[in-house]
Amino acid sequence: AQKVTQAQTEISVVEKEDVTLDCVYETRDTTYYLFWYKQPPSGELVFLIRRNSFDEQNEISGRYSWNFQKSTSSFNFTITASQVVDSAVYFCALEADSNYQLIWGAGTKLIIKP
Amino acid sequence: GAVVSQHPSRVICKSGTSVKIECRSLDFQATTMFWYRQFPKQSLMLMATSNEGSKATYEQGVEKDKFLINHASLTLSTLTVTSAHPEDSSFYICSAINLPGTSDTDTQYFGPGTRLTVL
Repeated sequence: AQKVTQAQTEISVVEKEDVTLDCVYETRDTTYYLFWYKQPPSGELVFLIRRNSFDEQNEISGRYSWNFQKSTSSFNFTITASQVVDSAVYFCALEADSNYQLIWGAGTKLIIKP
Repeated sequence: GAVVSQHPSRVICKSGTSVKIECRSLDFQATTMFWYRQFPKQSLMLMATSNEGSKATYEQGVEKDKFLINHASLTLSTLTVTSAHPEDSSFYICSAINLPGTSDTDTQYFGPGTRLTVL
């Protein structure tokens, strides 16, 4: 069975704090992709990152960083020095079949307070 | 790059009417597009996979006669909600993926969504 779990339903932090969003996945496939998307209040889903299962290198993009650990089946997302504009719902997703379909986590609502 | 547009962004209609939603890939070609439905405070629910030049593949529980999908070109897919009723009110989102063989084939790029309200 394939599954994505985002156990944190909602996180609230004060601006400039660091925050980590957790994502745990399940799949029996050896080749798969992991994604993070951001959905601000406007509703549009913004692509943040795609990670191949064979690439365990962590990635940093500005204030965003991702930690991929196959040993724990996790793909966590950290925002450093959070800003109010980071407030959104963040979705983690898994693609493990050749049909390009995504298995979605339930999403984590991130609230950054000024 | 990888921009997907959706039109209209918002529509209000009377019960019984049909509504067409367009999804376009603006700067890339897409043989495959996806249509999702999202209820408030919930994750995305895949409705169907739209394939250029062939019939769409619907997920279990989605009525194909109610949600008509046409993918007539490599840049356009349409979703028509036929005889809409209040329970069809929702946020509909499309996504598109680049052609097979491109570096980002596995990445879905999303449109801005269409909020449908059926009175």
